[in-house]
Amino acid sequence: GAGVSQSPSNKVTEKGKDVELRCDPISGHTALYWYRQSLGQGLEFLIYFQGNSAPDKSGLPSDRFSAERTGGSVSTLTIQRTQQEDSAVYLCASSFTRGGDTQYFGPGTRLTVL
Amino acid sequence: GENVEQHPSTLSVQEGDSAVIKCTYSDSASNYFPWYKQELGKRPQLIIDIRSNVGEKKDQRIAVTLNKTAKHFSLHITETQPEDSAVYFCAASGRALTFGSGTRLQVQP
Repeated sequence: GAGVSQSPSNKVTEKGKDVELRCDPISGHTALYWYRQSLGQGLEFLIYFQGNSAPDKSGLPSDRFSAERTGGSVSTLTIQRTQQEDSAVYLCASSFTRGGDTQYFGPGTRLTVL
Repeated sequence: GENVEQHPSTLSVQEGDSAVIKCTYSDSASNYFPWYKQELGKRPQLIIDIRSNVGEKKDQRIAVTLNKTAKHFSLHITETQPEDSAVYFCAASGRALTFGSGTRLQVQP
């Protein structure tokens, strides 16, 4: 079946602009996660959604970052007033449920802030 | 929150040798420990995982061991091949996955 998809695959933006990154999880997966991976670094947890529960936003680095998940499926990560340090690959993952289920990753969106 | 430390950061072995990567975690409530392989420019792919009720798990040339008392777990790759070259991440799951910093494995032919 189809895996996790993300769009766009690459995004170049100017400092100060807002960007939206999209994630389509695997059908039927109730948990969705966003991570950030800077060049040559590990994966930094940002936020996760589980069903209709309030999202865990504890990993968001600043209030310029927000995310929503509509209808329990597609998620959008929004970064407002982008800064150069926001440049990274943003990875989305989904799992059947949370905490202990295998997470499947999307291909990521490479964000470059000039 | 959970903190995962991973060692070594880089590892170079000769083809056919074994490779071992070690991780420690801090949250005793974590109960799921996956390992991901990430090739250059690709997404992380799960290669093996272990749960807290199991001490060891094997899948062909890959094995993972878990010591809950000491809060550490390890990845063992035997008979390494050049295609094993990649960055390997360990992770521990409580509320969400916390990843180690990664190990860059280079298998020399």
